[in-house]
Amino acid sequence: GAGVSQSPSNKVTEKGKDVELRCDPISGHTALYWYRQSLGQGLEFLIYFQGNSAPDKSGLPSDRFSAERTGGSVSTLTIQRTQQEDSAVYLCASSLTRSLTYEQYFGPGTRLTVT
Amino acid sequence: QQQVKQSPQSLIVQKGGISIINCAYENTAFDYFPWYQQFPGKGPALLIAIRPDVSEKKEGRFTISFNKSAKQFSLHIMDSQPGDSATYFCAATGTASKLTFGTGTRLQVTL
Repeated sequence: GAGVSQSPSNKVTEKGKDVELRCDPISGHTALYWYRQSLGQGLEFLIYFQGNSAPDKSGLPSDRFSAERTGGSVSTLTIQRTQQEDSAVYLCASSLTRSLTYEQYFGPGTRLTVT
Repeated sequence: QQQVKQSPQSLIVQKGGISIINCAYENTAFDYFPWYQQFPGKGPALLIAIRPDVSEKKEGRFTISFNKSAKQFSLHIMDSQPGDSATYFCAATGTASKLTFGTGTRLQVTL
């Protein structure tokens, strides 16, 4: 079946511009996560959505970062006034449900470059 | 504060050898420990995972060993193959379900 998809695959933007990154989770997966992977670094949790519950935003690095999930499916991560330190690969993952399994399936990521 | 420490940072193993990657965690609330494999330009892929009620889990050539008292777990890749060359991440999570990742191990399997 179809996996997690993300778009765009690559995004180059100028410092100060806003960007939107999109994630389409696996159909039927109720939980959706955003992570960030900086060059040569591990993966850093950003935000987590579970069903209709309030999202866990504890990993967002600043108020320039926000995310929404519409209709319990597609999610958009928005970065306002981008900075060079925002350059990274942004990864989205989804899982079936937090109560039965923690198995998270990742998309291919969006590589963001801020010039 | 890094809650999952992973070593080594890089590893070179000959074809047919055993690759061993180690992780240690601090948070005793963690109750699920997956390993992910990542190839360049791709997202991480779930490889194998374990819960703390067992000390070992084996799937094919991949084995997780888990030591709850020491708060350590490791990945063993038996009969390592060049196709196993990738970056491996250990991770941990608890009821919050967000994954806390180690810093990764770049594995190279030579002929």
